[in-house]
Amino acid sequence: NAGVMQNPRHLVRRRGQEARLRCSPVKGHSHVYWYRQLPEEGLKFMVYLQKENIIDESGMPKERFSAEFPKEGPSILRIQQVVRGDSAAYFCASSFSIATNEKLFFGSGTQLSVL
Amino acid sequence: TQLLEQSPQFLSIQEGENLTVYCNSSSVFSSLQWYRQEPGEGPVLLVTVVTGGEVKKLKRLTFQFGDARKDSSLHITAAQPGDTGLYLCAVWGNRDDKIIFGKGTRLHILP
Repeated sequence: NAGVMQNPRHLVRRRGQEARLRCSPVKGHSHVYWYRQLPEEGLKFMVYLQKENIIDESGMPKERFSAEFPKEGPSILRIQQVVRGDSAAYFCASSFSIATNEKLFFGSGTQLSVL
Repeated sequence: TQLLEQSPQFLSIQEGENLTVYCNSSSVFSSLQWYRQEPGEGPVLLVTVVTGGEVKKLKRLTFQFGDARKDSSLHITAAQPGDTGLYLCAVWGNRDDKIIFGKGTRLHILP
């Protein structure tokens, strides 16, 4: 069974370019979460999606950031016009349900570096 | 304000020593999870504690949930270099729609 797959592992962008981060959840999981992690920090929630719907985007900046989880294909986190402050590790996680004791399965992350 | 406060932030000890790290909050939770994250990888769930006062063991790791379900501790006996990593405690948010993490304890075990 494949776990959560994220690609690319490393992404380098110049200021002003667009970054597209992809996440394929565990097969059968319909709940996807994106987190951002800065060096020496924990994980900060960004957005929660459930197939084709954004359920909670309270942690995502209102501008330049968007996320989708289409019926077919991976979830995409898109950052437009990147700035140096966007440099971070972005992790995707998936779960089968959202029961209180549910376990999240994480991908290995995408390290975004903005030059 | 941080929902979950983890201490210490950093801990570096010799192989073979024992250690305890803490996760504290002023809120009550129905459950609490501990994850370990190794460099360049995503977090991996170690344990979920549910009942106040509950103790769970995972080999040399002992997890305890506080009686009031506001805090938790992780004790490692005879630490080994393979225990090195970032230990994160986490809880489901009020709306049960996302997991919220503490900032973690970065543990380094010296051989």
